[in-house]
Amino acid sequence: DQQVKQNSPSLSVQEGRISILNCDYTNSMFDYFLWYKKYPAEGPTFLISISSIKDKNEDGRFTVFLNKSAKHLSLHIVPSQPGDSAVYFCAAVNQAGTALIFGKGTTLSVSS
Amino acid sequence: DSGVTQTPKHLITATGQRVTLRCSPRSGDLSVYWYQQSLDQGLQFLIQYYNGEERAKGNILERFSAQQFPDLHSELNLSSLELGDSALYFCASSVLGGTSTDTQYFGPGTRLTVL
Repeated sequence: DQQVKQNSPSLSVQEGRISILNCDYTNSMFDYFLWYKKYPAEGPTFLISISSIKDKNEDGRFTVFLNKSAKHLSLHIVPSQPGDSAVYFCAAVNQAGTALIFGKGTTLSVSS
Repeated sequence: DSGVTQTPKHLITATGQRVTLRCSPRSGDLSVYWYQQSLDQGLQFLIQYYNGEERAKGNILERFSAQQFPDLHSELNLSSLELGDSALYFCASSVLGGTSTDTQYFGPGTRLTVL
């Protein structure tokens, strides 16, 4: 049973617009979440994280929002750039703090 | 560049064989994690080592084993290989491990193809 879900396999956005990537989780005990970006033939690269004690975290063009009651988080990229085209993974840290539980990823394509 | 290195980059072998994947963590990181990414399952946690000792196990098959050496590099051993073991294998490292806010940094991966 998937504990972290990214229901949109792909997203296409024009350069300069906002990209919104969504993620849902089922385990209410998860308290730390991360977003990773992955280019082909490379490993996942850490982007941004958020703790359950916050509902928003911002880093430059990237903002992550967490809605605990809905068990939902989203990554906003503003403005989107062609170099942002990649697969984005949402991950939750398991309760023991020992492993990441990943969603299956969303492929973002930003066209110029 | 995350600072995590993995060798080899690609590995092609036959069913029934055994292979060893190697990972060197970032300088100063004590924890090493192994993940498998297959087409249908996404990224799945296999095992974690902290300062030479096994700390956590995930969906790791009995045919697979790992260890972390005194210099903190880690090896993942895959034996009696099957076609379904073809996947990308990623290593990640973190400073400590065992705390939820300890960010994991990933290596570039080893692509294993079993023919």
